Amino acid sequence: DAGVIQSPRHEVTEMGQEVTLRCKPISGHNSLFWYRQTMMRGLELLIYFNNNVPIDDSGMPEDRFSAKMPNASFSTLKIQPSEPRDSAVYFCASSPSSGANVLTFGAGSRLTVL
Amino acid sequence: AQSVTQPDIHITVSEGASLELRCNYSYGATPYLFWYVQSPGQGLQLLLKYFSGDTLVQGIKGFEAEFKRSQSSFNLRKPSVHWSDAAEYFCAVGAPNSWGKLQFGAGTQVVVTP
Repeated sequence: DAGVIQSPRHEVTEMGQEVTLRCKPISGHNSLFWYRQTMMRGLELLIYFNNNVPIDDSGMPEDRFSAKMPNASFSTLKIQPSEPRDSAVYFCASSPSSGANVLTFGAGSRLTVL
Repeated sequence: AQSVTQPDIHITVSEGASLELRCNYSYGATPYLFWYVQSPGQGLQLLLKYFSGDTLVQGIKGFEAEFKRSQSSFNLRKPSVHWSDAAEYFCAVGAPNSWGKLQFGAGTQVVVTP
């Protein structure tokens, strides 16, 4: 099992540009989560999906952020337009429906917005 | 609302010495409790979890944690630390049947000295 796969691992972009982060969950996992980690705010849950359906997006900071899960093996987190305060490490995690809250995290995507 | 407090931001411990990391939670009932470890540039790895039953749980890498309902605590311990245990440790709480939605503490950075 390759685990949760995220890409890109590092992204440097300029303010105003569109950023797309990608995640492939573990095969068979029904729930997918996007977290953001910053020094100031720690780990924050942005959004999570169950069976490809968004369940709770209350953590999404604002309308510039959007997430999709078109199928069970792929999800994207998009920021448009990006701002310097979006600089953070974005983690994707997945869990099996039978695993009751046991998350497996990807290695993260470090975003720097200049 | 659930919350997690890790009182110690930073701990320095000598190799071979014992380690205890504190975690206090706020939740109306018995939550699901977790400890994750994050090495530099890496994602979070699950060390151990508590759902119910025996209040002393064993995890990977020689770690254990004890759930104390009366103190709303879930402290992590290791009898003898190794240099490879230097990392950041996160306590997390989740409501049962919440599909993996977790609230993380701010983390405790552990430094291991020779």
